[in-house]
Amino acid sequence: AQSVAQPEDQVNVAEGNPLTVKCTYSVSGNPYLFWYVQYPNRGLQFLLKYITGDNLVKGSYGFEAEFNKSQTSFHLKKPSALVSDSALYFCAVSPNDYKLSFGAGTTVTVRA
Amino acid sequence: DAGVIQSPRHEVTEMGQEVTLRCKPISGHNSLFWYRQTMMRGLELLIYFNNNVPIDDSGMPEDRFSAKMPNASFSTLKIQPSEPRDSAVYFCASSFIPSRGADYGYTFGSGTRLTVV
Repeated sequence: AQSVAQPEDQVNVAEGNPLTVKCTYSVSGNPYLFWYVQYPNRGLQFLLKYITGDNLVKGSYGFEAEFNKSQTSFHLKKPSALVSDSALYFCAVSPNDYKLSFGAGTTVTVRA
Repeated sequence: DAGVIQSPRHEVTEMGQEVTLRCKPISGHNSLFWYRQTMMRGLELLIYFNNNVPIDDSGMPEDRFSAKMPNASFSTLKIQPSEPRDSAVYFCASSFIPSRGADYGYTFGSGTRLTVV
């Protein structure tokens, strides 16, 4: 069975500072990994994915994530956070089939 | 493309009533998913359709829940009879998936917020 852990319920950063949202996963075989963002009263929006290849994946809105197989992690990062990045972020894993398992989500608050 | 379209956006109903949620996936996508989001349980996959056929309904809570996809452009999720514990945000998502592989991101609708009183 696959699972995803987002160890932090909330992350608070000041605008302009680096932002990191942590994710670790457990899955047999080679995982497909995803990050999604959810703004209030909206559906989830796809940010980026790792399937294979380069461990550093670049996505939408200046976000990137690094796949670390030895640590089974897929942390989301942004070098300089914006107030508009405040949202709920979900990590998800798929063990090479259709079923995505989502983490519990991390609420990011970027203060001006 | 207008994205995944769900209706209604909000639904308030009395316990025991039938509720029908609707979803129009992105044209060309061959896979459709229904998810439920609650504070307690997070995001749960309820059912997955591929080429209009239900592939996995193991997440459907109980017999009160049913889902259909009569064609590639429309799906419904029905709850009959509804109960207060069904109150949640229900999301529909679509994607294009080969027979094995989920290497494409899902596109989610804006959700239906269901309140059963």
